[in-house]
Amino acid sequence: DIQMTQSPSSVSASVGDRVTITCRASQGISSWLAWYQQRPGKAPKFLIYAASSLQTGVPSRFSGSGSGTDFTLTISSLQPEDFATYYCQQANSFPRTFGPGTKVDIK
Amino acid sequence: QVQLQESGPGLVKPSETLSLTCTVSGGSIRSYYWSWIRQPPGKGLEWIGDISYSVDTNYNPSLKSRVTMSVDTSKNQFSLKLSSVTAADTAVYYCARAGRYCSGTSCQYFFDFWGQGTLVTVSS
Repeated sequence: DIQMTQSPSSVSASVGDRVTITCRASQGISSWLAWYQQRPGKAPKFLIYAASSLQTGVPSRFSGSGSGTDFTLTISSLQPEDFATYYCQQANSFPRTFGPGTKVDIK
Repeated sequence: QVQLQESGPGLVKPSETLSLTCTVSGGSIRSYYWSWIRQPPGKGLEWIGDISYSVDTNYNPSLKSRVTMSVDTSKNQFSLKLSSVTAADTAVYYCARAGRYCSGTSCQYFFDFWGQGTLVTVSS
């Protein structure tokens, strides 16, 4: 199985801050990575696919980059609705695996 | 807009079989792959498996011996059965659509629409 790790596990930030989350795969996954946002008590929301492609309707302050084993999710200017947990997920091979999540909370 | 809704018992006894159904509306089940993902309370996400309308399946090896998925195209539903459950199977269970997305000439499947989730507790 491909193991996914994320750092940091949590980050405290203020509205307007730039936030960057890192995801690493235990082996190369090309660009087959997605990012999801999960607010408390809600289902995950699909944000980014193929490492850097924004899903329709997702605000442009979200961006993704990377390939191979190292990936990043950046929120350019944090908004109140962005306080949530973010998960990366590899789609290169089975079983599909998720990172442990990064919680973004209010400083 | 595709919508998914999980249904099934919220409480299952240890050693019994967990059974859930996901009803798809706003689109046909006769495309894509359809997935089950779970999340133990306070923990991360675990992919259980997926199934296509033609009953092609992929299961997580960690659960494969206990998992059965099926699809009912006449009802636009797909289902999960997980046998011999223990307390470790207590989780919120999500159904999701695995939509096909392409980058260049290659395509893969990502979980683009999710149900709201249903909590299943394993307890006597």
